[in-house]
Amino acid sequence: GAGVSQSPSNKVTEKGKDVELRCDPISGHTALYWYRQRLGQGLEFLIYFQGNSAPDKSGLPSDRFSAERTGESVSTLTIQRTQQEDSAVYLCASSLVQGQETQYFGPGTRLLVL
Amino acid sequence: EDQVTQSPEALRLQEGESSSLNCSYTVSGLRGLFWYRQDPGKGPEFLFTLYSAGEEKEKERLKATLTKKESFLHITAPKPEDSATYLCAVQVYGQNFVFGPGTRLSVLP
Repeated sequence: GAGVSQSPSNKVTEKGKDVELRCDPISGHTALYWYRQRLGQGLEFLIYFQGNSAPDKSGLPSDRFSAERTGESVSTLTIQRTQQEDSAVYLCASSLVQGQETQYFGPGTRLLVL
Repeated sequence: EDQVTQSPEALRLQEGESSSLNCSYTVSGLRGLFWYRQDPGKGPEFLFTLYSAGEEKEKERLKATLTKKESFLHITAPKPEDSATYLCAVQVYGQNFVFGPGTRLSVLP
């Protein structure tokens, strides 16, 4: 595709439910990043993938958060037993290689936990 | 701890009124400093990367500069379409990206 895509664009869920967010990176991009952006704040790093391995999971806020990636393609971010503080925009970005300067961002998934 | 701050938090300019946004950083080893533009409801859009003190890059009405402690994004004769949130991020050796909170710029016609 032409850019990074994310789905769903919006998700409303009830506290305690699990949610799965999807990211389709630019074809051929080996590095993939997940960020969280709370309202009015900057981006908070969650995890990155180089290929399908995740060398750095240090940003994941708790063990309720997990992510996986299939090859150098789709990634899913799963949040189990959602809490109200999980409400945020979840952004995905990809780059040609890890650390390469230009990260291309998707439009984000807006998650609201009631 | 690696830290990035941005000032001002918000800035309102009249069309044509030039100004500068500041990004200050405290990091253990800078690999690169990045500027992004973010429009409401969209993901950040890459603008510039700076790697070493003294480096400058320009794109249309924007110019980014870098010192050992901070970066400036200069906006010359801004137009209403320059209204957005401008994000600064640093990449530290062996680490990923640390983003600042952003500066919300409004350019009034």
